[in-house]
Amino acid sequence: AQKITQTQPGMFVQEKEAVTLDCTYDTSDQSYGLFWYKQPSSGEMIFLIYQGSYDEQNATEGRYSLNFQKARKSANLVISASQLGDSAMYFCAMREDLQGAQKLVFGQGTRLTINP
Amino acid sequence: DAGVIQSPRHEVTEMGQEVTLRCKPISGHNSLFWYRQTMMRGLELLIYFNNNVPIDDSGMPEDRFSAKMPNASFSTLKIQPSEPRDSAVYFCASRQTGVAFFGQGTRLTVV
Repeated sequence: AQKITQTQPGMFVQEKEAVTLDCTYDTSDQSYGLFWYKQPSSGEMIFLIYQGSYDEQNATEGRYSLNFQKARKSANLVISASQLGDSAMYFCAMREDLQGAQKLVFGQGTRLTINP
Repeated sequence: DAGVIQSPRHEVTEMGQEVTLRCKPISGHNSLFWYRQTMMRGLELLIYFNNNVPIDDSGMPEDRFSAKMPNASFSTLKIQPSEPRDSAVYFCASRQTGVAFFGQGTRLTVV
């Protein structure tokens, strides 16, 4: 079963607009973590933002915020005032516990294109 | 810290050859992950280690794939024999608590 679902294969947004990238997850754990990574065309994986399952406040990092809705099991990434450099693949990931260790599983990604 | 270091960055090999990918995690990190990224399958977790011990290798596609972590500062992913369908970008990542940091990846092409 898919643990992380990103339903938007691609998105096109005008520069300076805000954009929301969707992510839903499936887990029966009470303790888990949610992450977003950015992968530009150069290929590296860049960590953007993290939300713990017990965090009551939505995480924010500069222009990035995570809209965490626990009951809906969603962890959408919001990018405010988008810039051309935001064009990239974006991956949602979940940390889940297994045998006392924690593994990280990824969604299929959303390709975001910012138009000038 | 230099971050997670992978070598080589690019590898082109002929079908049937053995390929070894290398990873040096960030010092002090106790979890290490190997991922494979392809257009068709996205980012797949192949195997991960905790304190140098393999915890879950259910993502390793076949017996041709093996991974080792002989110490806290080094891991290898070996493919023997390699096949064209193994062509992909292979990422290594490490973490202590919280965020996993990725290496630059190894782009493997099997011809």
